[in-house]
Amino acid sequence: DAGVIQSPRHEVTEMGQEVTLRCKPISGHNSLFWYRQTMMRGLELLIYFNNNVPIDDSGMPEDRFSAKMPNASFSTLKIQPSEPRDSAVYFCASSYTMGSYNEQFFGPGTRLTVL
Amino acid sequence: KQEVTQIPAALSVPEGENLVLNCSFTDSAIYNLQWFRQDPGKGLTSLLLIQSSQREQTSGRLNASLDKSSGRSTLYIAASQPGDSATYLCAVEKWDSGGSNYKLTFGKGTLLTVNP
Repeated sequence: DAGVIQSPRHEVTEMGQEVTLRCKPISGHNSLFWYRQTMMRGLELLIYFNNNVPIDDSGMPEDRFSAKMPNASFSTLKIQPSEPRDSAVYFCASSYTMGSYNEQFFGPGTRLTVL
Repeated sequence: KQEVTQIPAALSVPEGENLVLNCSFTDSAIYNLQWFRQDPGKGLTSLLLIQSSQREQTSGRLNASLDKSSGRSTLYIAASQPGDSATYLCAVEKWDSGGSNYKLTFGKGTLLTVNP
């Protein structure tokens, strides 16, 4: 398996523009997670899907952020409008959740810069 | 609110040395604890996962222990090599109150440098 795939790897955009980050989880995994990593705050969970259903979006910073998972093999994280403080590395992770066992596998991340 | 602390924030050792990285957490009601490695500009690689019923896990030169009652975990690296240089993060997992979702809370990591 190719692992978790994210695109684009790097994104530079101007304030106010819409940004869409994409993720393909590992085939057969039933849980998908979006994280944000910054120097100041470290790694933070933004939203979590189980069987394509959003379970917990309490980490989404504000209404400018939205995430979808239309099927088991694809998810998007959208920021509209983007702001400079959204600059960070965004990671997608997936896992096969069974009972209390939940080993997460991470993608390479998307480095977002908002000017 | 769960807080995860990793000490030290940075560590530099000569090649061949054995070393210990520390992780502490404030809420001992966890299910799993996972150690990750992150290379510069890369994603996270899972190293070891310790379930709540276990006290340790081993993989090659790595050994992770878990003491839930004291809220601590350690990652032991034997015979360190320059290729071990990376940031090591620990993350604790707790079921949410509804029992249907997961929360992974991460520490900020320990930056390890192994000098040849």
